[in-house]
Amino acid sequence: KNQVEQSPQSLIILEGKNCTLQCNYTVSPFSNLRWYKQDTGRGPVSLTIMTFSENTKSNGRYTATLDADTKQSSLHITASQLSDSASYICVVANNDMRFGAGTRLTVKP
Amino acid sequence: DTAVSQTPKYLVTQMGNDKSIKCEQNLGHDTMYWYKQDSKKFLKIMFSYNNKELIINETVPNRFSPKSPDKAHLNLHINSLELGDSAVYFCASSQAGVSSTDTQYFGPGTRLTVL
Repeated sequence: KNQVEQSPQSLIILEGKNCTLQCNYTVSPFSNLRWYKQDTGRGPVSLTIMTFSENTKSNGRYTATLDADTKQSSLHITASQLSDSASYICVVANNDMRFGAGTRLTVKP
Repeated sequence: DTAVSQTPKYLVTQMGNDKSIKCEQNLGHDTMYWYKQDSKKFLKIMFSYNNKELIINETVPNRFSPKSPDKAHLNLHINSLELGDSAVYFCASSQAGVSSTDTQYFGPGTRLTVL
């Protein structure tokens, strides 16, 4: 069983709508939790990085939250755009990095 | 200017061959990485180098050998290629290692196909 589980596997929303992606992890202890965006055929791009003591981190329309007690994180996307269509990957880092399988988001006009 | 570059972008080769993938970063970072992304899009770290010293070596077959001539380059050499090596390989760099909050910058990836 993967130590980082993401849900949903895939999601389709209409342009302009908000959405929330979930990440549950069992990695303990950990140094930081990261969210990446990966467009098809490209390398991942860092969105947010939170230490275990942080609860929230924003990057434009992207807001990540972290609850270290329940070992859950979420990525909230506000006012979605067509360019948000991508895979979003949750990563928990300590001395190494454990990746979730990603959520494939499709934003439709 | 490309921050992290990889060559080649595509690599098609026969089983049993030896091949190399090159990576260069012009960000002045001390740490470089190699990742493998399989057909199910699952990313996994393979190696992490800090100032030419191996820091992370996940359970990777010893057919894979990273070589770092200087801190701006981390090449990946693969011996005796197998069908299961087919994947997209990403190079990345950051100033400090993964336990820090330094941003990692990824290259565009190299799609390796073993026939």
